[in-house]
Amino acid sequence: EPEVTQTPSHQVTQMGQEVILRCVPISNHLYFYWYRQILGQKVEFLVSFYNNEISEKSEIFDDQFSVERPDGSNFTLKIRSTKLEDSAMYFCASIEHLPNSPLHFGNGTRLTVT
Amino acid sequence: DAKTTQPNSMESNEEEPVHLPCNHSTISGTDYIHWYRQLPSQGPEYVIHGLTSNVNNRMASLAIAEDRKSSTLILHRATLRDAAVYYCIHFQGAQKLVFGQGTRLTINP
Repeated sequence: EPEVTQTPSHQVTQMGQEVILRCVPISNHLYFYWYRQILGQKVEFLVSFYNNEISEKSEIFDDQFSVERPDGSNFTLKIRSTKLEDSAMYFCASIEHLPNSPLHFGNGTRLTVT
Repeated sequence: DAKTTQPNSMESNEEEPVHLPCNHSTISGTDYIHWYRQLPSQGPEYVIHGLTSNVNNRMASLAIAEDRKSSTLILHRATLRDAAVYYCIHFQGAQKLVFGQGTRLTINP
């Protein structure tokens, strides 16, 4: 069964550094998402992406965040200048079509900012 | 801004059925109800979704109230592997699924 893949599984970075989290959504899916989960807290929506542009974003997704689909397969989340509070699990997800499709999640990237 | 209500936790015994309730009184007529679960240290995993009719798949059944203001996820024979946080959610706005706190399900051997 096709799946969403995320790399790396764990990323450690220093405060103020830029990080790029990578995702390969399922190939025929059209909508892409990033979520994050701070340890012990709920899964939070960050951004949705369709047709090469952001369709919705949360208040968490400020100017420090950006997303890109640089080619036909990858979907990336960039954090320009990481803060300690960016430490979390980041999940990529994709969906084939709306609204009658399930959302498929990757296994996540654990970002640790020191 | 999650618009569903679930009990914080539930407990059941192995090999017994489990009924997980959810209230979604503000759901619109065209929103599908989705259920996901999150096993420890893993990403959310799709369980089932439906619109009006009851739905069955290999993982679970979904019973949707006639007025669509509530639904129940049914695990027919719980196993220890079903211990997870279960989320009942629906799309808000055009394209986002917003997760609430979910129900933490504990399965006793």
